[in-house]
Parts: sequence; C-alpha cells; structure tokens
Amino acid sequence: NAGVMQNPRHLVRRRGQEARLRCSPMKGHSHVYWYRQLPEEGLKFMVYLQKENIIDESGMPKERFSAEFPKEGPSILRIQQVVRGDSAAYFCASSPISGIEQYFGPGTRLTVT
Amino acid sequence: QQQVKQSPQSLIVQKGGISIINCAYENTAFDYFPWYQQFPGKGPALLIAIRPDVSEKKEGRFTISFNKSAKQFSLHIMDSQPGDSATYFCAASKGYSTLTFGKGTMLLVSP
Repeated sequence: NAGVMQNPRHLVRRRGQEARLRCSPMKGHSHVYWYRQLPEEGLKFMVYLQKENIIDESGMPKERFSAEFPKEGPSILRIQQVVRGDSAAYFCASSPISGIEQYFGPGTRLTVT
Repeated sequence: QQQVKQSPQSLIVQKGGISIINCAYENTAFDYFPWYQQFPGKGPALLIAIRPDVSEKKEGRFTISFNKSAKQFSLHIMDSQPGDSATYFCAASKGYSTLTFGKGTMLLVSP
C-alpha cells in the first residue's frame, strides 16, 4: 500500500509566479490536511479537506493561497504570486476518517528566488 | 499564541541513555497527543500517541507520560540509539481535528 505521495519534491519559483503542489492520499483515505514548515519551526496547519469540500481553512492565508480536493485526482495547494516568505516545506497528511492518525507525505520544498 | 510548548530545543544523549522531551499545552479541550519523528528531508512519521484517559503508554523503547492536571506530556526514549537521532515533534488536537505542533526537539545520540 503506497504511502502519501507528494509532487514535486522540490519546486523553485521566481517571485510573482504560481506554485502548484500536489498530494495523493493513501489508498482509501478521503481526508487531507496541508501543513507548512518553516526552518527551525514546527508544522503549522493550513487547511483540511475532504473530497470536494473544504472543512477548515483557518490556517491558510486569505490572499494568494487556495486548496482543492476534487472527486477525482490529487489534492492541490495553489500559491499565486509567490513571495520569498512562501519558501518553506509543505506537507500533506491523510487519514481514512476524521480523527484517525494522520500519515504524512515526504513534503514539497518550495524555494522562491 | 503558542498552544503547545516543547523543550528542550536540542538534546544530546549518549548511546544507551534515556532521552526525555517535554511538552506543555494550554487548551484543555485537547484530547489526542501524538509524537512524530522526522528525519532530514523526510515527512514526519507517527511514533506513539496517547489520550488523556491514561497516564502512560509504552511501545517498545518509547513511552509517553501524561499529566492532565499539569497539562504536560513527555516522551521517553529508553536505551537511545544513534538511529534515533532525528527531530521529534509533540502535537495535540481537539477531537477529530487538525494537529497543533510544538516547535520540535533535535535529538543527537552519540555513539
């Protein structure tokens, strides 16, 4: 059973470009969580989604950030007009039902130049 | 507002020693407390977790101690090995919800 998959693993964008991060949850998991990790910091919650629904986006900046988890395909975290402060590792986690342990992917390391 | 405070920031332990990492939380509604282990360049991996209805949980060399009245919980790694060298994060959540993480402890186990 494959684990949580994220791609790309590394992403370099210039300021003002768009970044798209993809997360494929574990088979049978329908809940996806996105977290951001800054250097020397713990993970900060961004958004929690179920298939076709955003359950909690309280940790996601209101501007430039959006997330989706369509009926078919991976969950996508989209960052428009990236700035240097967006440079971080972005992790997604999945769980089969809300409250069961969250399993994390390997992360996408975004560098904004 | 940091809802989960973790200490120490870094820790060096000799092989065979006991590693102890502490966390304190503020939100009394938290009812699920996992510990994650993260190696460089990898995602966090769930190590062990506890709910507040028990004061201790042990899995192999890893033990969580939980003090509900003090709002504190800790991870003990017995017989620490060089392969345990990693960053450890405590976390907490309320019900079936998102995780609030501590800032992490970088553990180095010297041979």
